[in-house]
Amino acid sequence: QKEVEQDPGPLSVPEGAIVSLNCTYSNSAFQYFMWYRQYSRKGPELLMYTYSSGNKEDGRFTAQVDKSSKYISLFIRDSQPSDSATYLCAMHTGGFKTIFGAGTRLFVKA
Amino acid sequence: ETGVTQSPTHLIKTRGQQVTLRCSSQSGHNTVSWYQQALGQGPQFIFQYYREEENGRGNFPPRFSGLQFPNYSSELNVNALELDDSALYLCASFDAGSLGEQFFGPGTRLTVL
Repeated sequence: QKEVEQDPGPLSVPEGAIVSLNCTYSNSAFQYFMWYRQYSRKGPELLMYTYSSGNKEDGRFTAQVDKSSKYISLFIRDSQPSDSATYLCAMHTGGFKTIFGAGTRLFVKA
Repeated sequence: ETGVTQSPTHLIKTRGQQVTLRCSSQSGHNTVSWYQQALGQGPQFIFQYYREEENGRGNFPPRFSGLQFPNYSSELNVNALELDDSALYLCASFDAGSLGEQFFGPGTRLTVL
């Protein structure tokens, strides 16, 4: 079993839809949770970063962490074609090793 | 403030050769991590350097080695290249006091023939 599981998709939605992206994990010691966006052949771009449980909102993006269920989510409101990318969840314990999910490919159709 | 930069952008090598990849960290960041990202996969942690010392390593063989310099820039060296080493190599920099906020460079795409 992988430490971090993420559905690779692809996920296809119409423009304006609310997108829900999710990851589950097995290591209860994870404390720091991140979401990255990666366009094709580019480096990952940090979107959201949360410590421990709770919600965090930034513009159209909301990150949720449920440590009791070992489940994290990223919601994208009013999705745009420019949001089409691969979304990577990542997490670590506060140490040196960050574990990434495999990424979910998102397509937003105009 | 400049972001994380990597060189070269692309590289083609043959099996058995050696390669050096370079990374300049973002201004003010004292820690650099290196990752390998195979096509269709998430980045896999190779190792991390803090103030010129390796302070963590993933499941990669010793032929993957690195350096960090006093200006916090870094190198990744891979010896005896194998076909499976073909991947996007990413470096990420951050300040050790801000553990969640790693900033990635654009990556170096290595092809091993």
